[in-house]
Amino acid sequence: DQQVKQNSPSLSVQEGRISILNCDYTNSMFDYFLWYKKYPAEGPTFLISISSIKDKNEDGRFTVFLNKSAKHLSLHIVPSQPGDSAVYFCAASAAGTASKLTFGTGTRLQVTL
Amino acid sequence: DTGVSQDPRHKITKRGQNVTFRCDPISEHNRLYWYRQTLGQGPEFLTYFQNEAQLEKSRLLSDRFSAERPKGSFSTLEIQRTEQGDSAMYLCASSFERTLGTEAFFGQGTRLTVV
Repeated sequence: DQQVKQNSPSLSVQEGRISILNCDYTNSMFDYFLWYKKYPAEGPTFLISISSIKDKNEDGRFTVFLNKSAKHLSLHIVPSQPGDSAVYFCAASAAGTASKLTFGTGTRLQVTL
Repeated sequence: DTGVSQDPRHKITKRGQNVTFRCDPISEHNRLYWYRQTLGQGPEFLTYFQNEAQLEKSRLLSDRFSAERPKGSFSTLEIQRTEQGDSAMYLCASSFERTLGTEAFFGQGTRLTVV
């Protein structure tokens, strides 16, 4: 039962353009959502998060959008840079679960020159 | 470096041997989590501690796995009688306790290979 889904295993974007990574969830109890970036052989690095009381959160080049009715969130990276090339994981937690995270399977982003 | 630290980074062991991994969380964090990640998958929750108390264990955590967090500081994860299916990246994370959700900060992981 995959409660957090990232249906695009990979994405290729040109440098300077916008990268849009998508994530869907099925558990309506999730109320906090996070994006992590992961390089090979490293642990995930926290990027940005959003609470279910918001529909947008922005931090520099990174913006996360949350559509609760559709149970969908997306991460926008603009402008994309070659150093953004990594695997991006969407994660979610539910109130009362001690911030235990449920992860998607990841999307590999490649930013080309 | 004040991030989450894991040791060792890599471990190769023969099937049937016991292994132990260590995690040092960010010092002011009271929650500590263990996750496991296999190829092509996202990290999967194994267990978590609030201070020294182990409050939840996933059903993924068989009885060959045990975790401790003495004195609420560092944590160890031991796998007894390792099997090839235990080969994975073992990730430790720590966080603050907050009313709303909070981000967890991960260590670099321990890559276990069981041969």
